[in-house]
Amino acid sequence: EDQVTQSPEALRLQEGESSSLNCSYTVSGLRGLFWYRQDPGKGPEFLFTLYSAGEEKEKERLKATLTKKESFLHITAPKPEDSATYLCAVQAWGGADGLTFGKGTHLIIQP
Amino acid sequence: DAGITQSPRHKVTETGTPVTLRCHQTENHRYMYWYRQDPGHGLRLIHYSYGVKDTDKGEVSDGYSVSRSKTEDFLLTLESATSSQTSVYFCAISEARKQGANYGYTFGSGTRLTVV
Repeated sequence: EDQVTQSPEALRLQEGESSSLNCSYTVSGLRGLFWYRQDPGKGPEFLFTLYSAGEEKEKERLKATLTKKESFLHITAPKPEDSATYLCAVQAWGGADGLTFGKGTHLIIQP
Repeated sequence: DAGITQSPRHKVTETGTPVTLRCHQTENHRYMYWYRQDPGHGLRLIHYSYGVKDTDKGEVSDGYSVSRSKTEDFLLTLESATSSQTSVYFCAISEARKQGANYGYTFGSGTRLTVV
């Protein structure tokens, strides 16, 4: 059974204080690892897809990295508008289609 | 939201009644999915479709059925609603897989369903 564990559950940072969110996963064969951002009352918004260990992708203040067991979402010099819940998900080869999600990290950036 | 619309946005229904939620897309994507999101559980896959009239079960399919008679519409039916089905339901779409490309599933805005 595919599993995704995100930590911490919640994180409060000061504006400009860089940090990282962790996503640990177990999957029979990784097809892709996805990062999403979700604002209250809205659907998840796609950020990145990573496919193989060593891969990195960047978007503005966010950078996602991938190893064989975990992924990190690095947030550099965050702003209050980066406050959201960040979701990690995996897609496996074979079996049912669709993504297996973690429970998310609730990030608050204080001015 | 990239041409994906869910309806209704909110619904309150009574236990034992049938309920149908609709997902409509204008992207002509092949794959469509229904998820539910509950506190402490994250998003869980209910059913998905890989083409017209082609559907399959996900992790939490008991008590739900789906239909896809047209590419653009994917319906989720709660055959006899129960309080445990109170949740936020999200539809998602995906085009054919592009390994190596930065593609992802696109989610709708959700339907908040309350069963009383």
